[in-house]
Amino acid sequence: DAGVTQSPTHLIKTRGQQVTLRCSPKSGHDTVSWYQQALGQGPQFIFQYYEEEERQRGNFPDRFSGHQFPNYSSELNVNALLLGDSALYLCASRWEDSYGYTFGSGTRLTVV
Amino acid sequence: ILNVEQSPQSLHVQEGDSTNFTCSFPSSNFYALHWYRWETAKSPEALFVMTLNGDEKKKGRISATLNTKEGYSYLYIKGSQPEDSATYLCAFNYGQNFVFGPGTRLSVLP
Repeated sequence: DAGVTQSPTHLIKTRGQQVTLRCSPKSGHDTVSWYQQALGQGPQFIFQYYEEEERQRGNFPDRFSGHQFPNYSSELNVNALLLGDSALYLCASRWEDSYGYTFGSGTRLTVV
Repeated sequence: ILNVEQSPQSLHVQEGDSTNFTCSFPSSNFYALHWYRWETAKSPEALFVMTLNGDEKKKGRISATLNTKEGYSYLYIKGSQPEDSATYLCAFNYGQNFVFGPGTRLSVLP
């Protein structure tokens, strides 16, 4: 059983461009959360999706948007990239009624 | 803004040493406290989920305790091995989501 799968693993973009990151949750999981981890910091919550709707959102600007599909997979979109958006982006999934999340290995985004 | 702190930020120990580190979290609106182990280039791996004040969990040489009234959890590693080298993250679970601490980076030297 595959865990959480994220693609791509690494990405280099130019400032001002747009990027889409993808996440396939663990089989049986219906809730997906996205986190940004900048160097030297813990993961920061971006938003959570459940039943194809954004249920909760962290302190991130509207340039960060997302989507959840009927098969529970999810995308994170970032528009008008800034140098400060360079980070590791983690996707985590869980079954709604469980406690813990299963994490993907992340997408390393570098904005130049 | 909820704040979760971890100390120390980093730690270097010799193989065979025992060590411990701390996670501090808000003592209100507690739902659960999670510990994750995160090795470089891998996914964070869940170690423990702790929900009750006074909880103690153990997995091999690693154990954790929880005090929800004062808002802290300790993670202990007995007889550290080089393969224990990783970042240890705690996450405070309130409602539907988590607030992560910054992590403690452990390096175990052979």
